[in-house]
Amino acid sequence: RKEVEQDPGPFNVPEGATVAFNCTYSNSASQSFFWYRQDCRKEPKLLMSVYSSGNEDGRFTAQLNRASQYISLLIRDSKLSDSATYLCVVKRADYKLSFGAGTTVTVRA
Amino acid sequence: DTGVSQDPRHKITKRGQNVTFRCDPISEHNRLYWYRQTLGQGPEFLTYFQNEAQLEKSRLLSDRFSAERPKGSFSTLEIQRTEQGDSAMYLCASRQGGSGANVLTFGAGSRLTVL
Repeated sequence: RKEVEQDPGPFNVPEGATVAFNCTYSNSASQSFFWYRQDCRKEPKLLMSVYSSGNEDGRFTAQLNRASQYISLLIRDSKLSDSATYLCVVKRADYKLSFGAGTTVTVRA
Repeated sequence: DTGVSQDPRHKITKRGQNVTFRCDPISEHNRLYWYRQTLGQGPEFLTYFQNEAQLEKSRLLSDRFSAERPKGSFSTLEIQRTEQGDSAMYLCASRQGGSGANVLTFGAGSRLTVL
C-alpha cells in the first residue's frame, strides 16, 4: 500500500464551480500535512499547510481527519488558473515528506 | 536568484553513459532532498542530507546512484551506467532545519532522457 493515496482525477469543472478531493495516508504517526500545486512540467510549489482544525486560504479550504487518516482540499469559485495537479504531502515525525501521485484539476471556460 | 537552482535542466544521454546533476539549495537551508518524478506520479524520495551528512537513502537509489554534499552547500547526484528506466525528472528541494520549518522549496528539476 502506498503511503499517500489520491484520486488521480481528472476533475473537469466549469469556471465558478466548487471542486473537492481527498487524500488518504497510511502512517498514523504522520504529523504534518500539506497541499502542493504542480503545473505541467514545472516543480511543485506549496499551496497551503493543513492544520488539525482545518484552515482556509482565500478560495481554498483544507481539512484534516486524523481518525480516518484523510486530508481534503476544496476549491471554491474555480478559476482557469486553478488548473493544475494537486499533490498531497505527508510528513512523518522525522524528516521524510511523502507525496501522493496527485489529483489533476482542469477548469474550463 | 535566491531559489533552488538545478543544472542541467535537460540531459539526453545514451544508455550506459554516466550523468551528473547539480543542485544549489537556498543558502540558509541546511536540509537538502533529492526526489525523482516520472509521468503521472508524485515525487519519490531518493535521499536526504542534513548539512554534509547523508542521513537516508531510499531503496530506489540503486548502487548506480550516488549523491554527495561535500561542504554542506551544493549537492550532486550521479547516475552511472544509465538505463532507460532512469528517464525521469530529478528534483532537488531544500528547507531550513528545526521542527517548525517543514516547507520544501523545489528547484525546477533536471529532466533526464536515456535513449
